[in-house]
Amino acid sequence: AQSVTQLGSHVSVSEGALVLLRCNYSSSVPPYLFWYVQYPNQGLQLLLKYTSAATLVKGINGFEAEFKKSETSFHLTKPSAHMSDAAEYFCAVRARSGNTPLVFGKGTRLSVIA
Amino acid sequence: GAGVSQSPSNKVTEKGKDVELRCDPISGHTALYWYRQSLGQGLEFLIYFQGNSAPDKSGLPSDRFSAERTGGSVSTLTIQRTQQEDSAVYLCASSLRLDGSTDTQYFGPGTRLTVL
Repeated sequence: AQSVTQLGSHVSVSEGALVLLRCNYSSSVPPYLFWYVQYPNQGLQLLLKYTSAATLVKGINGFEAEFKKSETSFHLTKPSAHMSDAAEYFCAVRARSGNTPLVFGKGTRLSVIA
Repeated sequence: GAGVSQSPSNKVTEKGKDVELRCDPISGHTALYWYRQSLGQGLEFLIYFQGNSAPDKSGLPSDRFSAERTGGSVSTLTIQRTQQEDSAVYLCASSLRLDGSTDTQYFGPGTRLTVL
């Protein structure tokens, strides 16, 4: 069974500082990996996904994530935080084969301080 | 084009009542998913549909929960005899294919259910 662990339920950064949101997965075979963002009172929006092409994946709004098989990680980063980045971020995995749903982490709430 | 829509956006009900939550997926999407988002629990997968068929219902929390999909489009999640622990945001998502593991799932805004 696959699982996802997001370290830190709440991360706070200053505006302009580096954003680092951590995600580790547990799977016998490297899965497909996704990062979603949820703004207040809205649904989830895909930020980026890893589908076994380049290990460094660039997404929307300046975010990127790097797949590291040796560390079973898929951490999300952004060089410079903006106030509008304040939201909840979810890491998710999906098996490469079979009809399986997304398995989500518990989410990390990002606060950006002016 | 239109995204995934859900109705109602908010639902307040009394314990023991039945509720129906509706999801309209993106036109042409054959796969549809229901998730539940509870405070501090992340997103919990409930059920998925390929067309009108739901091959695996094991994610439904109890037999009070049921879901159907008609015409390969609209889906309804029904909760019978609601309990306070059913209070959560229920999210619907759709994707082009069920077996497209890299296909993006597009989420609706959710229905916030409060059981008093």
